[in-house]
This record gives sequence, C-alpha cells and structure tokens, in this order.
Amino acid sequence: AQSVTQLGSHVSVSEGALVLLRCNYSSSVPPYLFWYVQYPNQGLQLLLKYTSAATLVKGINGFEAEFKKSETSFHLTKPSAHMSDAAEYFCAVRDNTGNQFYFGTGTSLTVIP
Amino acid sequence: DSGVTQTPKHLITATGQRVTLRCSPRSGDLSVYWYQQSLDQGLQFLIQYYNGEERAKGNILERFSAQQFPDLHSELNLSSLELGDSALYFCASSVGRLGTEAFFGQGTRLTVV
Repeated sequence: AQSVTQLGSHVSVSEGALVLLRCNYSSSVPPYLFWYVQYPNQGLQLLLKYTSAATLVKGINGFEAEFKKSETSFHLTKPSAHMSDAAEYFCAVRDNTGNQFYFGTGTSLTVIP
Repeated sequence: DSGVTQTPKHLITATGQRVTLRCSPRSGDLSVYWYQQSLDQGLQFLIQYYNGEERAKGNILERFSAQQFPDLHSELNLSSLELGDSALYFCASSVGRLGTEAFFGQGTRLTVV
C-alpha cells in the first residue's frame, strides 16, 4: 500500500521567512502526489499536484514543491511566509488504480509576526 | 467554492441516534470519497464509491454505511452513535481518472452529546 509521511506535526516560521514542509512518500511505482491546505473550519483545498509532467510544481499562493525520486520526497516550500499562510497542510498520494488518496497526518503551520 | 456540497453543515445529536450526511459531488465527477477528521485520529479514509458502486473501503465502522445514488450524490449513514463519533466528516469527489485530484466539501461537523 502507498503512504506518505509528513515530518513535523507543527512548524513555526517568522513572517517573511522560508516555509519548508516535508513529505516523503512510499510507492513502488511513480506516484501522483498532492499538497492540500486546510484553513480552520474549512475543507481541504488543493495547493498543487505532481503528475510526472515536471519535477518542480508551482501551486497557488506562491507555494511550490519539488518531486525528488531519489529521495522519495515531495517537500512544499514558499520563499516568504505570510500571516495568511497559517493553516494545516496535508500531503497526499494517489494510487495508480485511480482509487484511494492516502493522506499524511498533516503539518500545522504557524506564522509569527 | 470546490463545487462539492455537503449538508448539513452542523449536526448535534444524542448517543444511540442515527444520522445521515449528504454529499453532492462536482458536476461530472463519478468518484465520491468520505473522510472522518478528528483531533486524535487525523484524516481517516472511510469509503469510496465510483459511479454507484463501492470501490474501496477504509477504516469504516460497521455502524456506518454509505451509498451512491444514480444521480451520483452520496449519503453516509451513521447509527448507534457514540461520543467518539463526534468529528468533521468530509466528502470529496474526483473524476476518477489517474492523476486527478479530489475536491473537498466544507464538511459536516457532527457533535454527539
């Protein structure tokens, strides 16, 4: 079965600092990978997705992620954190049958003014 | 707005009762997924339907059941409710093709008292 591991359940950064949220996946075949963001009392919103077209994927709100097969990683970054980035972030992998999405346990991002 | 509609938004009920949560997927999406999100368990996959048929099952209790109707809307039935069933229940939909993302509804917050 496929899975993702998000290192760090809580990350704090200062406003304007680099955001780095880590995600490692477990898959025996090239995966489809996603990052979602969840604001309080809301559903999950897609930030970006990797579907093998390009290893560096740009998403909404200035976020991007790089697929590194050798490291089985798909870390999410943003050069400069904004207060509005404070939220829960989930990494997910979709299996190749087109069925399930496997979500990580989430990383709560706090932005310090 | 993701295009996925969940009703009701909030539900308060007593232990032992039965409730039904409803989900209308995005237009054209054939797959519907149900997730439970609680503070201690994170985002748990419950069940997936594709074009009316059950496609995958996750950590869904026997007290819970779901179905997808011919018009593709889905219902999640929770019975013999316990305090521990209090959680956010999300529905997501997807077209079902490889590499495509899931779109989440705003969730139903269930409180069992």
